[in-house]
Order: sequence, then C-alpha cells, then structure tokens
Amino acid sequence: DTGVSQDPRHKITKRGQNVTFRCDPISEHNRLYWYRQTLGQGPEFLTYFQNEAQLEKSRLLSDRFSAERPKGSFSTLEIQRTEQGDSAMYLCASSRRTVENEKLFFGSGTQLSVL
Amino acid sequence: AQKVTQAQTEISVVEKEDVTLDCVYETRDTTYYLFWYKQPPSGELVFLIRRNSFDEQNEISGRYSWNFQKSTSSFNFTITASQVVDSAVYFCALSVHTGGFKTIFGAGTRLFVKA
Repeated sequence: DTGVSQDPRHKITKRGQNVTFRCDPISEHNRLYWYRQTLGQGPEFLTYFQNEAQLEKSRLLSDRFSAERPKGSFSTLEIQRTEQGDSAMYLCASSRRTVENEKLFFGSGTQLSVL
Repeated sequence: AQKVTQAQTEISVVEKEDVTLDCVYETRDTTYYLFWYKQPPSGELVFLIRRNSFDEQNEISGRYSWNFQKSTSSFNFTITASQVVDSAVYFCALSVHTGGFKTIFGAGTRLFVKA
C-alpha cells in the first residue's frame, strides 16, 4: 500500500475565493471519507463515497461544499466562497469494505487557512 | 443518534506509569463497531484497534489493552508502563449499522508522557 495521498498539504486563501483539495486513496479501497478537524477536536464527518456513489453528506456541510469521486478513484473536495470559519485541517481516509468496518487509513491532511 | 464522549481532555503522566483513557459511546443500534486511533504530533491518524458489538472480550496487545463493557457503554484504553513515544492524541470512534457504518469520532484525549 502506498498510503492515502492528499494535495496540497497547506493552502492559504483569501475569504471569498474557491479552493479544491484532492485525495488519492489506497488503490482497491472502495470507501473514501472526508473529515474536517479543528484544533483540539476530533475529526468531524463531512461525507463519504462507496466507489463513485456519494452515500451521505453531513448536515453540517453547507451548499458551498461539494465533493466528487469520478470513476471511484481519487476524490476532490471543493469549497466555494471560502469563509474564515472554513479554516481547518481537511482529512481524507479510505477503507476496503470487503468486510464491513475495515479500519480507516488516513492521509496527512490539507491545512486550510482562510484570511 | 450516535455519540462518542471522551471526558478527559488532557492527561499528563510520568514515564512508566500506567494510564487509562476513557471512552463512552451512545447508540441504539445493536450492531456497531468501536475503534481507537492515535494521532501523533506528526498529525496522521493511525488505527489501533477495532471491536464489534458482539465481542466483549478484552484485548491486550503488548503494553496496550482495551476494556469493552456494553453494560456501561464504555470502551476504555489502558497503556501500561507508558513511554514518551506514547505522547499523542487518542481518539475513540464508533460506527453503526443504521449509520451506513460511517465512523464518528470523539473529541480526543491528549496524552503527555514526561521522561
């Protein structure tokens, strides 16, 4: 396994700009998750995919957030019209759902700072 | 609704002390999984253990042990003879059948092990 890869590692943007993050899961992992983590908190669930299907989106996720996983491989998370409250670490994780609840493998995250 | 509570925000111990990290969970599902993850200072979350709701056997792995008690909805984690390298944030997590088995996390317990 080459591990879960996230790009970029850091992103600084101005309020109102759009940003896009990319996640490359471990190959053959069919589940892909996005979480958001702020300082001193646990990862907060945003959304997840099984293959290319987005199964659930958190109610906490406003319409400014959108995620895709075309062809069931890599995924992108886009935030439109960023706000200072969007500043956080965005984590991607993947798992192999051959047996329910395989463990999650996490990437190193993308740290977003909105100025 | 599912919830994970880690009441201990920070714990500080001296090397070689034993330490227990508490985790209390809430769910009405009878089928669920519990996890512990470690987040070292480098930032990447690492899986430690998974238990399913039908298996209350305690588990020991080296200096780590886990105590699962359904009667109190707890899944506590003990580190025996702690070491400086154990310093990290530890997260308890839960995934349930009716939630599509998405994983939700507690707020974490930051463990400091002093030499």
